[in-house]
Amino acid sequence: AQKVTQAQTEISVVEKEDVTLDCVYETRDTTYYLFWYKQPPSGELVFLIRRNSFDEQNEISGRYSWNFQKSTSSFNFTITASQVVDSAVYFCALSEINAGNMLTFGGGTRLMVKP
Amino acid sequence: ETGVTQSPTHLIKTRGQQVTLRCSSQSGHNTVSWYQQALGQGPQFIFQYYREEENGRGNFPPRFSGLQFPNYSSELNVNALELDDSALYLCASSSHSLAGADTQYFGPGTRLTVL
Repeated sequence: AQKVTQAQTEISVVEKEDVTLDCVYETRDTTYYLFWYKQPPSGELVFLIRRNSFDEQNEISGRYSWNFQKSTSSFNFTITASQVVDSAVYFCALSEINAGNMLTFGGGTRLMVKP
Repeated sequence: ETGVTQSPTHLIKTRGQQVTLRCSSQSGHNTVSWYQQALGQGPQFIFQYYREEENGRGNFPPRFSGLQFPNYSSELNVNALELDDSALYLCASSSHSLAGADTQYFGPGTRLTVL
């Protein structure tokens, strides 16, 4: 069965600090997809990134970067030079190819960036 | 914004009543998934609709049912409401692909309160 664990329930940083959100997943499939979503107070889940299990290259998008390591079943998310607007709940999610397009979410990490 | 819309925004019902939530998918998407998000938790997959048929279901009882229409919009119906059904209900649209999990884009959600 698939499972996603986000051990950090809440993180508080001061603006301009770097912060890493951890995500550990469990799956028996060799083909799967990993996602990160952002949920601001408004409630809508905003898609950030999608990664398939065959692509272990790290990715950078502006202040955001993602580190995918199959050896440790982790898909961590780093925000560089955090800003107050980054304050939100961040979810990591997993989709197995044999489970259709069903997303299994972690419990989320609430990030608070203080000015 | 994703182009996925949901109605109503908020809803208050009493235990035992029935409720219908609606979702319009993003242009070009033919698959709709529904998720339940209890306060402080990650979203839980309810079911998915593709070509007007249920295409996968999570661990939810039969009183949770759905429909998909020819224009790909969808409804989530919940009968015999219970207090634990109070949650944010999220709809997500995506394209159906045999190659793997397509990115799901979420709507703003419907906040259901059961008294």
